[in-house]
Amino acid sequence: ETGVTQSPTHLIKTRGQQVTLRCSSQSGHNTVSWYQQALGQGPQFIFQYYREEENGRGNFPPRFSGLQFPNYSSELNVNALELDDSALYLCASSRQGEGTEAFFGQGTRLTVV
Amino acid sequence: AQSVTQLGSHVSVSEGALVLLRCNYSSSVPPYLFWYVQYPNQGLQLLLKYTSAATLVKGINGFEAEFKKSETSFHLTKPSAHMSDAAEYFCAVMGAGGTSYGKLTFGQGTILTVHP
Repeated sequence: ETGVTQSPTHLIKTRGQQVTLRCSSQSGHNTVSWYQQALGQGPQFIFQYYREEENGRGNFPPRFSGLQFPNYSSELNVNALELDDSALYLCASSRQGEGTEAFFGQGTRLTVV
Repeated sequence: AQSVTQLGSHVSVSEGALVLLRCNYSSSVPPYLFWYVQYPNQGLQLLLKYTSAATLVKGINGFEAEFKKSETSFHLTKPSAHMSDAAEYFCAVMGAGGTSYGKLTFGQGTILTVHP
C-alpha cells in the first residue's frame, strides 16, 4: 500500500507568479484535503476534494484553487503569489466518511521571494 | 465552529519521565479528536484518534489519550519518554457534520524536548 506522495518537495517562486503543487493519494482513498502550515503554526484547512468536486473550503481567497482527477490524485494551484504564501503545503488523503483519519504526505515547502 | 487550544507551546521532560501534552477543544457537535506528530521537515503522522468508542484511546509508540467531555479535554500522555519522542505534537478536532465535515482544525502545536 503506497502512502501519500507530494511533489515537488521544495519550490522557490517570485511574488506574482503562479504555482502548482501535486499530490497522489493513498491507495483506496477517495478524498483529498489540502492544508497550509506557516512557520511555527498549526496546519490550516484550505479545501477538500471528493469525486472531483470541491467539498468544503477554509478561509482562503479564490486565488487558491484545486483539482481532483479520476485516479483521486490532486493539484493545488495558487495564483498571484504573495510573500505570506510562503509555507509548508500538506496534502492529506482519506476515505469519505465521518471521523475517518487523514494520512498526510511529506509536504511541499514553498518559498515566495 | 470548532477550535483547539494546546496549553504550552513547549514542554521539556527528562528521558524516562511522564509526558503530558494538554489539549482542550470546542465543538458544537460531538467531535472526532486526533493527535498527530510532526518530525522536522516532515508531514504529520497519526498517533491516535477518538471516535466515541472508548474514552481512553491507545495509539502508537506507547502514547494514549483520554477524552473527558465534562472538561472538553483530550490530553496526550506517555508513561516514559524516549529521546525519539522529541518532535512537535498537534491536537486536532473534526466535526461530525455541516461545514465542519471532514475538516481538521488543528491547535498551534506543542514542541516536546526530551533531555538525557
